[in-house]
Amino acid sequence: LAKTTQPISMDSYEGQEVNITCSHNNIATNDYITWYQQFPSQGPRFIIQGYKTKVTNEVASLFIPADRKSSTLSLPRVSLSDTAVYYCLVEGSSYKLIFGSGTRLLVRP
Amino acid sequence: DVKVTQSSRYLVKRTGEKVFLECVQDMDHENMFWYRQDPGLGLRLIYFSYDVKMKEKGDIPEGYSVSREKKERFSLILESASTNQTSMYLCASIPKPQGTYHTDTQYFGPGTRLTVL
Repeated sequence: LAKTTQPISMDSYEGQEVNITCSHNNIATNDYITWYQQFPSQGPRFIIQGYKTKVTNEVASLFIPADRKSSTLSLPRVSLSDTAVYYCLVEGSSYKLIFGSGTRLLVRP
Repeated sequence: DVKVTQSSRYLVKRTGEKVFLECVQDMDHENMFWYRQDPGLGLRLIYFSYDVKMKEKGDIPEGYSVSREKKERFSLILESASTNQTSMYLCASIPKPQGTYHTDTQYFGPGTRLTVL
């Protein structure tokens, strides 16, 4: 199973765009890249998923280069309520999801 | 609205006690998971089940067992609780994959914060 590496923490201010990059050098052909968000005392919540190039939904965008060895979650115009831990996962032909330590995003006023 | 519920939000037990954590999902999902979450370590998979009466070990199964007698219910059992099992326990479920496997939504419960004294 591909392992992921992300920054431990990031700081931002309200209204800014935040980009969180995840490294997954051993990604396999069948693997998808998924990002989850977790608030304190809650379970993780799905944000976005992609296989290659760019995916956008109402919450975020996900950029995946051609070699797929990394991906970037982009949160446009963050607010205080976006303060959370963000997890990058690589998953494919397996039932197991491997969560790393995640990136703790702090949005300041 | 889809739901994964866990029997308790907070639980305090003593060392050596047998502890049952219950998880129920109402989405008819085949796959269910138990994780524990500790500061600095992220989520770690304890056990998962891909069908009734089927189970597989995750990354840290030692000291735990599971039971899946019905599709909607997945129980985590601490046979003899120890202080190093103090943690947040999260249950999750996803449907059986169709075709090339990927999941677009794994549903998590609210978690059970277990303290073992």
